[in-house]
Amino acid sequence: GENVEQHPSTLSVQEGDSAVIKCTYSDSASNYFPWYKQELGKRPQLIIDIRSNVGEKKDQRIAVTLNKTAKHFSLHITETQPEDSAVYFCAAYMDDYKLSFGAGTTVTVRA
Amino acid sequence: GAVVSQHPSWVICKSGTSVKIECRSLDFQATTMFWYRQFPKQSLMLMATSNEGSKATYEQGVEKDKFLINHASLTLSTLTVTSAHPEDSSFYICSAISGGRTDTQYFGPGTRLTVL
Repeated sequence: GENVEQHPSTLSVQEGDSAVIKCTYSDSASNYFPWYKQELGKRPQLIIDIRSNVGEKKDQRIAVTLNKTAKHFSLHITETQPEDSAVYFCAAYMDDYKLSFGAGTTVTVRA
Repeated sequence: GAVVSQHPSWVICKSGTSVKIECRSLDFQATTMFWYRQFPKQSLMLMATSNEGSKATYEQGVEKDKFLINHASLTLSTLTVTSAHPEDSSFYICSAISGGRTDTQYFGPGTRLTVL
């Protein structure tokens, strides 16, 4: 099955700085890569996703890049704000829609 | 966007009893629903895939006789934790695939199960 590794496990940034989270996946057949934000005790919320036919996608302060050759993808958050503090999960799946999640990154934005 | 609900949001039960958790897609038909378990400070682990009208598919290591899944309609899947024990205490989250965008999973709010 798919194995997704995520780094770092914790990330502390100053408000206004950028945050970058990196993930690698094992199965070259994976073709869909969503990122979720989860606040304590709440459901994961999809913040951005990318499919294997594109290399980059941006939505306001959030961007995701995908390198299929290296089998890694990254989340970039610019101009971080305190409300960006949460746990972020990357995930990957193939055509069977079963998601494999990374271990998560706890992001803390210092005011 | 698509909305998924879960009931109850939290439950406390005694060891040895069974607990049923409902997952509903409120504004779309979900042919496939997924059940995850999340322990504190850990990631989401897929337990099983639930397809309407057929038997659920369980991930390796998940006991199908302990975690009974029923997907009776296109909007409802249930997870029953049978003979619950303290180690079953966890956050259980369901998700559903919308028929319009089959690769986007919408998550329910989760159910916090505490077994005493």
